[in-house]
Amino acid sequence: QQQVKQSPQSLIVQKGGIPIINCAYENTAFDYFPWYQQFPGKGPALLIAIRPDVSEKKEGRFTISFNKSAKQFSLHIMDSQPGDSATYFCAASGFQKLVFGTGTRLLVSP
Amino acid sequence: SQTIHQWPATLVQPVGSPLSLECTVEGTSNPNLYWYRQAAGRGLQLLFYSVGIGQISSEVPQNLSASRPQDRQFILSSKKLLLSDSGFYLCASRTDPGYTFGSGTRLTVV
Repeated sequence: QQQVKQSPQSLIVQKGGIPIINCAYENTAFDYFPWYQQFPGKGPALLIAIRPDVSEKKEGRFTISFNKSAKQFSLHIMDSQPGDSATYFCAASGFQKLVFGTGTRLLVSP
Repeated sequence: SQTIHQWPATLVQPVGSPLSLECTVEGTSNPNLYWYRQAAGRGLQLLFYSVGIGQISSEVPQNLSASRPQDRQFILSSKKLLLSDSGFYLCASRTDPGYTFGSGTRLTVV
Protein backbone atom coordinates (compact mmCIF):
# COMPACT_ATOMS: atom_id res chain seq x y z
CA GLN A 1 0.00 0.00 0.00
CA GLN A 2 2.97 2.30 0.37
CA GLN A 3 4.31 1.62 -3.12
CA VAL A 4 4.61 4.10 -5.92
CA LYS A 5 4.63 2.65 -9.44
CA GLN A 6 6.49 4.57 -12.14
CA SER A 7 6.64 4.20 -15.91
CA PRO A 8 8.28 4.07 -18.34
CA GLN A 9 11.62 2.70 -17.15
CA SER A 10 13.44 4.60 -19.87
CA LEU A 11 12.54 7.22 -22.44
CA ILE A 12 14.26 8.73 -25.46
CA VAL A 13 12.99 11.94 -27.04
CA GLN A 14 14.36 14.43 -29.50
CA LYS A 15 15.27 17.94 -28.45
CA GLY A 16 12.10 20.02 -28.22
CA GLY A 17 9.90 16.99 -27.52
CA ILE A 18 7.64 16.58 -24.49
CA PRO A 19 8.55 13.52 -22.42
CA ILE A 20 5.83 12.35 -20.06
CA ILE A 21 6.52 10.20 -17.01
CA ASN A 22 3.67 8.58 -15.11
CA CYS A 23 3.24 7.46 -11.52
CA ALA A 24 0.50 5.77 -9.57
CA TYR A 25 0.01 5.28 -5.86
CA GLU A 26 -2.33 3.25 -3.71
CA ASN A 27 -2.54 4.84 -0.30
CA THR A 28 -4.78 7.90 -0.10
CA ALA A 29 -2.98 9.05 3.05
CA PHE A 30 -0.08 10.35 0.95
CA ASP A 31 -0.28 14.14 1.02
CA TYR A 32 2.70 15.43 -0.95
CA PHE A 33 4.01 14.32 -4.32
CA PRO A 34 7.45 15.54 -5.39
CA TRP A 35 9.52 14.82 -8.46
CA TYR A 36 13.28 14.50 -8.22
CA GLN A 37 15.97 14.80 -10.86
CA GLN A 38 19.18 12.85 -10.45
CA PHE A 39 22.39 13.08 -12.44
CA PRO A 40 24.95 10.24 -12.29
CA GLY A 41 26.90 10.19 -9.03
CA LYS A 42 24.76 12.90 -7.44
CA GLY A 43 21.98 12.92 -4.91
CA PRO A 44 18.40 13.56 -6.07
CA ALA A 45 17.39 17.21 -6.36
CA LEU A 46 13.83 18.41 -5.94
CA LEU A 47 12.37 19.50 -9.26
CA ILE A 48 8.74 20.26 -8.57
CA ALA A 49 6.06 19.07 -6.13
CA ILE A 50 2.29 19.09 -5.78
CA ARG A 51 -0.34 18.52 -3.08
CA PRO A 52 -3.48 16.48 -3.80
CA ASP A 53 -5.81 19.49 -3.61
CA VAL A 54 -4.31 20.87 -6.84
CA SER A 55 -4.77 19.29 -10.29
CA GLU A 56 -1.83 20.92 -12.04
CA LYS A 57 1.32 22.81 -11.16
CA LYS A 58 3.76 24.41 -13.55
CA GLU A 59 7.28 25.65 -12.84
CA GLY A 60 9.19 26.78 -15.88
CA ARG A 61 9.26 23.94 -18.41
CA PHE A 62 8.11 21.34 -15.85
CA THR A 63 4.44 20.55 -15.21
CA ILE A 64 2.84 18.08 -12.82
CA SER A 65 -0.65 16.83 -13.60
CA PHE A 66 -2.48 15.23 -10.68
CA ASN A 67 -5.58 13.03 -10.82
CA LYS A 68 -6.72 12.41 -7.27
CA SER A 69 -9.60 10.08 -8.14
CA ALA A 70 -7.35 7.87 -10.26
CA LYS A 71 -4.47 8.16 -7.78
CA GLN A 72 -2.12 9.05 -10.60
CA PHE A 73 0.25 11.90 -11.33
CA SER A 74 2.59 12.70 -14.17
CA LEU A 75 5.52 14.90 -15.08
CA HIS A 76 5.67 16.73 -18.41
CA ILE A 77 8.83 18.42 -19.62
CA MET A 78 8.12 21.04 -22.26
CA ASP A 79 10.68 21.90 -24.94
CA SER A 80 13.07 19.26 -23.60
CA GLN A 81 16.80 19.89 -23.89
CA PRO A 82 19.86 17.59 -23.88
CA GLY A 83 20.68 18.98 -20.42
CA ASP A 84 17.45 17.43 -19.14
CA SER A 85 18.95 13.97 -19.71
CA ALA A 86 18.88 12.43 -16.24
CA THR A 87 16.97 9.96 -14.12
CA TYR A 88 13.64 11.19 -12.80
CA PHE A 89 11.94 9.83 -9.70
CA CYS A 90 8.42 10.43 -8.53
CA ALA A 91 7.73 10.10 -4.84
CA ALA A 92 4.92 10.24 -2.31
CA SER A 93 5.15 11.51 1.22
CA GLY A 94 3.17 10.29 4.19
CA PHE A 95 3.58 8.48 7.53
CA GLN A 96 6.80 10.44 8.20
CA LYS A 97 8.37 8.84 5.12
CA LEU A 98 9.10 9.52 1.46
CA VAL A 99 8.51 6.57 -0.84
CA PHE A 100 10.08 6.62 -4.31
CA GLY A 101 9.08 5.23 -7.65
CA THR A 102 11.60 3.07 -9.49
CA GLY A 103 12.86 5.89 -11.71
CA THR A 104 12.82 6.81 -15.39
CA ARG A 105 16.02 7.28 -17.33
CA LEU A 106 15.44 10.10 -19.82
CA LEU A 107 17.68 10.76 -22.80
CA VAL A 108 17.09 13.87 -24.87
CA SER A 109 18.90 13.61 -28.18
CA PRO A 110 20.25 16.78 -29.84
CA SER B 1 17.98 26.70 3.87
CA GLN B 2 19.20 23.27 4.89
CA THR B 3 22.54 21.76 4.00
CA ILE B 4 23.31 18.08 4.42
CA HIS B 5 26.90 16.94 4.75
CA GLN B 6 27.82 13.35 4.01
CA TRP B 7 31.23 11.76 4.07
CA PRO B 8 33.15 10.16 2.66
CA ALA B 9 32.09 10.58 -0.96
CA THR B 10 33.51 7.19 -1.95
CA LEU B 11 34.57 4.19 0.07
CA VAL B 12 36.01 0.80 -0.81
CA GLN B 13 35.85 -1.72 2.00
CA PRO B 14 36.64 -5.45 2.22
CA VAL B 15 33.97 -7.99 3.06
CA GLY B 16 33.71 -8.46 6.80
CA SER B 17 35.04 -5.02 7.71
CA PRO B 18 33.03 -2.50 9.78
CA LEU B 19 31.31 0.57 8.35
CA SER B 20 30.46 4.00 9.67
CA LEU B 21 28.89 6.66 7.46
CA GLU B 22 28.09 10.03 8.96
CA CYS B 23 25.51 12.61 8.03
CA THR B 24 25.13 16.04 9.59
CA VAL B 25 22.52 18.67 8.92
CA GLU B 26 22.82 22.45 9.07
CA GLY B 27 20.14 25.10 8.96
CA THR B 28 17.40 23.38 10.90
CA SER B 29 16.65 21.84 14.26
CA ASN B 30 14.90 18.61 15.22
CA PRO B 31 14.63 17.37 11.63
CA ASN B 32 13.37 13.97 10.56
CA LEU B 33 16.40 12.20 9.10
CA TYR B 34 16.58 9.33 6.63
CA TRP B 35 19.05 6.86 5.16
CA TYR B 36 18.36 5.59 1.65
CA ARG B 37 20.31 3.12 -0.48
CA GLN B 38 20.38 3.10 -4.24
CA ALA B 39 21.72 0.03 -6.02
CA ALA B 40 23.27 0.58 -9.45
CA GLY B 41 20.58 1.60 -11.94
CA ARG B 42 17.83 1.12 -9.38
CA GLY B 43 15.48 3.22 -7.28
CA LEU B 44 15.92 4.54 -3.76
CA GLN B 45 15.16 2.18 -0.93
CA LEU B 46 14.42 3.63 2.51
CA LEU B 47 16.63 1.93 5.11
CA PHE B 48 16.11 3.89 8.34
CA TYR B 49 14.44 7.03 9.57
CA SER B 50 14.61 8.98 12.78
CA VAL B 51 12.20 11.52 14.22
CA GLY B 52 14.46 12.48 17.14
CA ILE B 53 17.58 11.73 19.16
CA GLY B 54 17.86 8.03 19.91
CA GLN B 55 14.73 7.20 17.89
CA ILE B 56 15.37 4.87 14.97
CA SER B 57 12.89 3.06 12.75
CA SER B 58 14.11 0.31 10.44
CA GLU B 59 12.32 -0.28 7.17
CA VAL B 60 13.97 -3.49 6.03
CA PRO B 61 15.81 -6.24 7.91
CA GLN B 62 19.45 -6.16 6.95
CA ASN B 63 23.08 -6.10 7.95
CA LEU B 64 23.04 -2.40 8.78
CA SER B 65 22.09 -0.29 11.79
CA ALA B 66 21.57 3.42 12.39
CA SER B 67 22.01 5.75 15.32
CA ARG B 68 21.18 9.35 16.09
CA PRO B 69 23.43 10.55 18.90
CA GLN B 70 22.71 14.25 18.35
CA ASP B 71 19.84 16.27 16.93
CA ARG B 72 21.54 16.93 13.60
CA GLN B 73 23.72 13.82 13.31
CA PHE B 74 22.70 10.51 11.77
CA ILE B 75 25.07 7.55 11.50
CA LEU B 76 24.80 4.39 9.42
CA SER B 77 26.86 1.44 10.62
CA SER B 78 27.67 -2.19 10.05
CA LYS B 79 29.77 -4.58 12.11
CA LYS B 80 30.61 -6.81 9.14
CA LEU B 81 30.02 -5.72 5.55
CA LEU B 82 28.61 -8.04 2.91
CA LEU B 83 29.09 -7.80 -0.86
CA SER B 84 25.37 -6.98 -1.11
CA ASP B 85 25.90 -3.84 0.99
CA SER B 86 27.52 -2.14 -2.01
CA GLY B 87 25.54 0.84 -3.27
CA PHE B 88 25.01 4.57 -3.16
CA TYR B 89 23.96 5.71 0.32
CA LEU B 90 22.01 8.91 0.68
CA CYS B 91 21.10 10.86 3.78
CA ALA B 92 18.01 13.07 3.69
CA SER B 93 16.30 15.56 5.94
CA ARG B 94 12.66 16.45 5.96
CA THR B 95 11.95 20.14 5.51
CA ASP B 96 8.19 20.19 5.68
CA PRO B 97 6.82 19.49 3.23
CA GLY B 98 9.88 18.63 1.17
CA TYR B 99 13.01 16.54 1.62
CA THR B 100 16.61 17.57 1.03
CA PHE B 101 19.28 15.05 0.08
CA GLY B 102 22.99 14.94 0.69
CA SER B 103 25.48 14.25 -2.08
CA GLY B 104 25.79 10.58 -1.13
CA THR B 105 28.49 8.00 -0.40
CA ARG B 106 29.41 5.42 -3.01
CA LEU B 107 30.27 2.23 -1.10
CA THR B 108 31.96 -0.67 -2.86
CA VAL B 109 32.46 -3.85 -0.86
CA VAL B 110 35.18 -6.06 -2.33
